[in-house]
Amino acid sequence: QKEVEQNSGPLSVPEGAIASLNCTYSDRGSQSFFWYRQYSGKSPELIMFIYSNGDKEDGRFTAQLNKASQYVSLLIRDSQPSDSATYLCAVNMEMDSSYKLIFGSGTRLLVRP
Amino acid sequence: DTGVSQDPRHKITKRGQNVTFRCDPISEHNRLYWYRQTLGQGPEFLTYFQNEAQLEKSRLLSDRFSAERPKGSFSTLEIQRTEQGDSAMYLCASSSGVSPYNEQFFGPGTRLTVL
Repeated sequence: QKEVEQNSGPLSVPEGAIASLNCTYSDRGSQSFFWYRQYSGKSPELIMFIYSNGDKEDGRFTAQLNKASQYVSLLIRDSQPSDSATYLCAVNMEMDSSYKLIFGSGTRLLVRP
Repeated sequence: DTGVSQDPRHKITKRGQNVTFRCDPISEHNRLYWYRQTLGQGPEFLTYFQNEAQLEKSRLLSDRFSAERPKGSFSTLEIQRTEQGDSAMYLCASSSGVSPYNEQFFGPGTRLTVL
């Protein structure tokens, strides 16, 4: 079983809609969770992190965390064509006696004008 | 520019050659990470430094790979006797080590093509 799982997509939404991106993780002890955006050919850019159960909002982005279900999501409100990118979920996991970020394979988001 | 920088941005080499990449982290960050990313995958952890000490090295990393951070500032990643399977984006990230949440900031990456 992969440690961090994401649907590869593409997830296609019309401009102005809400895009919902989901991620599950295997390690119940994980404490912090990150969403990165990656445009094609570019490096990942940190857009949000969350460590408490519930919602965390930052502008058009809302991260949601449910540790009991081992589930993290990212909502993008009022989606814009410029939001079209791959969204990577990363989990700070203890592996081999230290904490490191474990990434999912990413979900590709397409926002249709 | 106070972000993470990497050099070179692109490297094309022939199989069997050695290559070296450089990473300059955000100046106040004491933690530095190297990742490798191939098409359609998320970044894969390679190694990690806290100051000048290399604290972790992935079991996936062969002996052909070596990394240094001699003065706790910039880091280099060397790949000896490159193979076509080494073709990937090599990413460097840094974090402050003060926050317990380990948010990491990435550089622009070095894209390696091995012919």
